Formats: sequence, C-alpha cells, structure tokens
Amino acid sequence: GNSVTQMEGPVTLSEEAFLTINCTYTATGYPSLFWYVQYPGEGLQLLLKATKADDKGSNKGFEATYRKETTSFHLEKGSVQVSDSAVYFCALSENTGNQFYFGTGTSLTVIP
Amino acid sequence: GAGVSQSPSNKVTEKGKDVELRCDPISGHTALYWYRQSLGQGLEFLIYFQGNSAPDKSGLPSDRFSAERTGGSVSTLTIQRTQQEDSAVYLCASSLFFTGTGPYEQYFGPGTRLTVT
Repeated sequence: GNSVTQMEGPVTLSEEAFLTINCTYTATGYPSLFWYVQYPGEGLQLLLKATKADDKGSNKGFEATYRKETTSFHLEKGSVQVSDSAVYFCALSENTGNQFYFGTGTSLTVIP
Repeated sequence: GAGVSQSPSNKVTEKGKDVELRCDPISGHTALYWYRQSLGQGLEFLIYFQGNSAPDKSGLPSDRFSAERTGGSVSTLTIQRTQQEDSAVYLCASSLFFTGTGPYEQYFGPGTRLTVT
C-alpha cells in the first residue's frame, strides 16, 4: 500500500538555523511527492513538489529532492526565519490516479 | 470562485445531533476531497469525488458519515448522530482531475471546526 512517514515534532529552532524535516514513503508505483505547509490560522497550501526520481522541488528557500533509492523526500532550508513557523506535511500521490496520502505533519517553531 | 470555500467555519453541536458541512470547490475542478484533521493528528482521508461519483469511500470512519456532490460542484459531508470523537477540523480540497500527466495540486479550503459537546 501507499503511506508517508515523517519525523515527529515539534521542532524548535533559532532563527537562521538549518532545517531538515525527514519524510519517507512507501508506494506501489511511481508517485509524485509534495510538501504542504499550514501557517497558523490558515489552510494548507502547496510548498513544493517533485514528480519523478531525482527531481528537486524548491520554493521560498525550501528544497526537497526525490530519492527513489532511499524512498525519501526530506525538506531542507538553509536559514529559517520566524515566519517559517508552521506545520509541514509530506504527501504522495500515485501517477495513476487522484488519491493523496499525507503524513502526520511536523510542527516547526522558529524563535528569534 | 477564487478559492475553495467551506461553511460553516465553526460548528458546535450536541452529541447525537446531525450536522452538515458544505464545500464549494474552485470552479472547473472536477476532483473534490474531504479530510479530517484531529488535534495533534495528521490529515485523515475520508472520501474523494470525481465529478459526482465517489470511487473511494474507504476512508469514511463509520456508516454515520456520508457525502454527496451534485452538479459536479458543491459537496456536503453529513455526520449523523454525532459523537464526541467526531470533534475535529474537516478540510475540503479540490483539484483538476488527473489526465495522465501526473496528479494536480490540491487547493484546500479553510476548514470547518466541529465541536461535539
């Protein structure tokens, strides 16, 4: 079956620290991978995506590389800001349909 | 519309009552999804529609939950005889329907916060 596992939070970092949020997946086919972000009081929105192996998704200084050999899609940012405080969700969708599978979310708090 | 809208934004109900939650997707989006987000939990998939049909109802937690979509647009999620464990944020998302070039981004609504007392 399909599933996503992401690191448990909460994560607290100081401003300008390096961020990694781990995400691994299990899929029966060749999925597309996504990171969604939910800022406080707002709805989920797409942060970045990658549709095939070795693709790198990037947005707002965040990056994630689709690693088929390790079935991973870890989210990274070199220097976090207070405004990055949010809950981050890793997700996958098979390229044969419309079903999405989400991880449990990782809460990030960045302190000045 | 400009985005996915959901109503009501908040609903407080007594245990045993029925509730209806509404989702209005982005115009032209033929796929519509319902999720549940409980406190401290991730997103739990409930059901999705392609057009007016729901090919996957496997996520509905019990037979007290049902959903329909009419006219390929608005969807209603109904919870009968609500229980306290139904308290959660119910999220709706819509997307273009997959056409073989890869899954499309889901656009989420702001959610309905349901509290069962």
